[in-house]
Amino acid sequence: DVKVTQSSRYLVKRTGEKVFLECVQDMDHENMFWYRQDPGLGLRLIYFSYDVKMKEKGDIPEGYSVSREKKERFSLILESASTNQTSMYLCASSFWGSGPASTDTQYFGPGTRLTVL
Amino acid sequence: DAKTTQPPSMDCAEGRAANLPCNHSTISGNEYVYWYRQIHSQGPQYIIHGLKNNETNEMASLIITEDRKSSTLILPHATLRDTAVYYCIVRVENAGNMLTFGGGTRLMVKP
Repeated sequence: DVKVTQSSRYLVKRTGEKVFLECVQDMDHENMFWYRQDPGLGLRLIYFSYDVKMKEKGDIPEGYSVSREKKERFSLILESASTNQTSMYLCASSFWGSGPASTDTQYFGPGTRLTVL
Repeated sequence: DAKTTQPPSMDCAEGRAANLPCNHSTISGNEYVYWYRQIHSQGPQYIIHGLKNNETNEMASLIITEDRKSSTLILPHATLRDTAVYYCIVRVENAGNMLTFGGGTRLMVKP
């Protein structure tokens, strides 16, 4: 089974703190994604990565940065946390290849519920 | 990606089949139908996908109408653990790998 793990299930931080959210996948997936999920807004893509050291902005990258130094690990960084970044953060991964069973089947981690006070 | 319409909520008795509908009347010929679900406080989970033929796996069956304007996800014997929000997504293969989830259907399986 594909396994995507996230470093914390629950996290409480203060405004202005630097926050690191870690995601690790064990299936040698090329693609990795960071989403946030808020009530009434659905799932919104923050950043994604197709390869090591490669990153692309998603729909809402402002206030976030990412790092992909190794294929299995994708980190989301909040440089200076703000209260409007309180949310559920979801990491996902997938293969890159042809066919519907590869690129479009994303496997998600359990999520990190971040509260910024 | 084509827009989808799902009922906001449904109930199902434990052990019975749960049939979750999805309308996607603007679907184009190269768009696939995907189903994901999200159990409370967990990440989304892939269930099944298809293009035009009906599909079945260990979790569910997917029935796509001949005109492809709607589909139904079937959980043959729903359990309490199937209580979740179910999302129907229609998208082109390899379309940037970005998933957009709408409101979905909140399925409540009751004893």
